[in-house]
Order: sequence, then structure tokens, then C-alpha cells
Amino acid sequence: DTEVTQTPKHLVMGMTNKKSLKCEQHMGHRAMYWYKQKAKKPPELMFVYSYEKLSINESVPSRFSPECPNSSLLNLHLHALQPEDSALYLCASSRRGSGSYEQYFGPGTRLTVT
Amino acid sequence: TQLLEQSPQFLSIQEGENLTVYCNSSSVFSSLQWYRQEPGEGPVLLVTVVTGGEVKKLKRLTFQFGDARKDSSLHITAAQPGDTGLYLCAGANAGGTSYGKLTFGQGTILTVHP
Repeated sequence: DTEVTQTPKHLVMGMTNKKSLKCEQHMGHRAMYWYKQKAKKPPELMFVYSYEKLSINESVPSRFSPECPNSSLLNLHLHALQPEDSALYLCASSRRGSGSYEQYFGPGTRLTVT
Repeated sequence: TQLLEQSPQFLSIQEGENLTVYCNSSSVFSSLQWYRQEPGEGPVLLVTVVTGGEVKKLKRLTFQFGDARKDSSLHITAAQPGDTGLYLCAGANAGGTSYGKLTFGQGTILTVHP
């Protein structure tokens, strides 16, 4: 089973709202990732969690706040977003120490900021 | 900074034609993944190549990793409309503080017309 699930599938929020994106995997992977993807472009890395600890933050604005409650769950808390933050947000996971660094992606959350 | 140059950026062909997508870099990668992404969905891992000179086949898709592990290609034989999508190559490097950071190519948007 190589499934990563994400909820919600679609999200529309105003610039003053607070919302959260959720990601879950049950593959025993110990590395989890958040990406942002604009249409027809490659994913851009935002955050990496390794063994539930934040290991990489790609200088993401503080209006995006990641959280890893346990090894299977990853959240992305959103607050005071801008219209340019509208994008597909992807979660991915990989087996830490696998050597091949394969990442398995979820279906994404399509976020629209109005 | 590592870069992966992917070409062509767009490819529009008729059903039954063959095609090749290239990913080239001046950097060495420990592994390279190929993904296919359909609109509104997350990237799906097609293959991982690890050894220089490696060739892997997945039905009508043939993947090669260059001897020096700096480049890769994806060849599709007798393309079908179901092959339509965004193809992404992504290179990985071993360990350390860069763990989890894939270097993505710019992507190839493939359209196969019936």
C-alpha cells in the first residue's frame, strides 16, 4: 500500500480565515513533506519532517505553520493567506534511510484564497 | 545549486507515435525518480533508477540512467491517450542536511491525440 491521503480535496478561504490541511500515511514512513505546486509547474518544497521533527523549512512565510502530531500525520495550518498562495498543496512521504529517496505523493488539496 | 534541465517542455503527438523526454544535469544524483501527474491529482511515482547505466522497463515506457548518473531519459513506445499528463523527473542526493530535497525538472506536458 503506497497511499497518502489528504483532506480536504478543495478549500476556498478568505484572507482573514484560519484553516488546516491534513495528510495521513500508514506506510511506516518517517519522512513527510509539504509542497506547493502552481499549474503546469513542478512542486516546490516547503517543509520536511524527519522522525516527527522539522528538518527543512524552505524560508516559507509564517502564515504557513506545519505540525507533525505523530509519525502518520502531518498538518499545515493556514492563517492570513494571500491570493498568490492559491495553489495545489501536496503532501508526500518517504522511508527514511531507504537510500533511493522515493517520495509518494497524496492527491493534493486545491486551495483558493479569495 | 543543483539543476535538472528537462526537455521538451511541451509535446503534442498522435496516438501510436514514439517519444523521448530528457533530463540533464551537471550534477551527480544518487537516484532519479520519474513521476506522471494528471490534472488535479498528485504525482504518481513511475520508477526509480539508482545505478549508472541502468535501464528499466514499465510496459511501453523505458527509463535510462546515464553512466555518470547526471542524466536520464524516458522513452514511450506507441503512445496512447492515457499517457497524457505532466511528466516530472526528480533527482535525489544522499543524506545530510539535504535529505528529502528532490531537485525537480521543469516538467514535460505530454498530450496524445486519438
